[in-house]
Amino acid sequence: DIQMTQSPSTLSASVGDRVTITCRASQSISSWLAWYQQKPGKAPKLLIYKASSLESGVPSRFSGSGSGTEFTLTISSLQPDDFATYYCQQYNSYSSFGGGTKVEIK
Amino acid sequence: EVQLVESGGGLVQPGRSLRLSCAASGFTFDDYAMHWVRQAPGKGLEWVSGISWNSGSIGYADSVKGRFTISRDNAKNSLYLQMNSLRAEDTALYYCAKAEGYCSGGSCYSHWYFDLWGRGTLVTVSS
Repeated sequence: DIQMTQSPSTLSASVGDRVTITCRASQSISSWLAWYQQKPGKAPKLLIYKASSLESGVPSRFSGSGSGTEFTLTISSLQPDDFATYYCQQYNSYSSFGGGTKVEIK
Repeated sequence: EVQLVESGGGLVQPGRSLRLSCAASGFTFDDYAMHWVRQAPGKGLEWVSGISWNSGSIGYADSVKGRFTISRDNAKNSLYLQMNSLRAEDTALYYCAKAEGYCSGGSCYSHWYFDLWGRGTLVTVSS
């Protein structure tokens, strides 16, 4: 099984900050990685797929990069609506999720 | 409206069984792979199982392999999860999710990331 490790687990930031979340895979997954945003009491929402492709309707302040085993999600200028938990997901071999990164207000 | 609606959750004793259902609408159900993802209270997401458009490819997480069975009925636009030998650690909100994909030449292809989710159905395993 492919293990996905996210860091940090919690991140405190202010509106307007540039935020970066890292996701590492236990083996190479090429670019088969997605990122999701989840708010309390809601289902996850797809943000990024194939490591760097932006899902339709997602603001351009979200971007993804990486390949192989190391990936990042960047929010260029944090907005009030962005305070949430973010998950990475590999889909190279079946599927598995990272443990999540909670972005909270500083 | 494009949506997924889960049902069948509830309180069940350890060792017993439960069957979850997911009703799809607003899209061509039999063109896409479908999945179950769960989330224990206050915890992260865990992929549980997935099934291809024609049921030809099925996968399970190690934590449920041999106990859970995924299936689909394309005529009814429905996805199912039969859960046997339930354990306390199976307690979670179970989401139904649609995988991205496309069809060409009579076959359908999917990458197993999820562009549509239901609201979930809660399964509680407790005596």
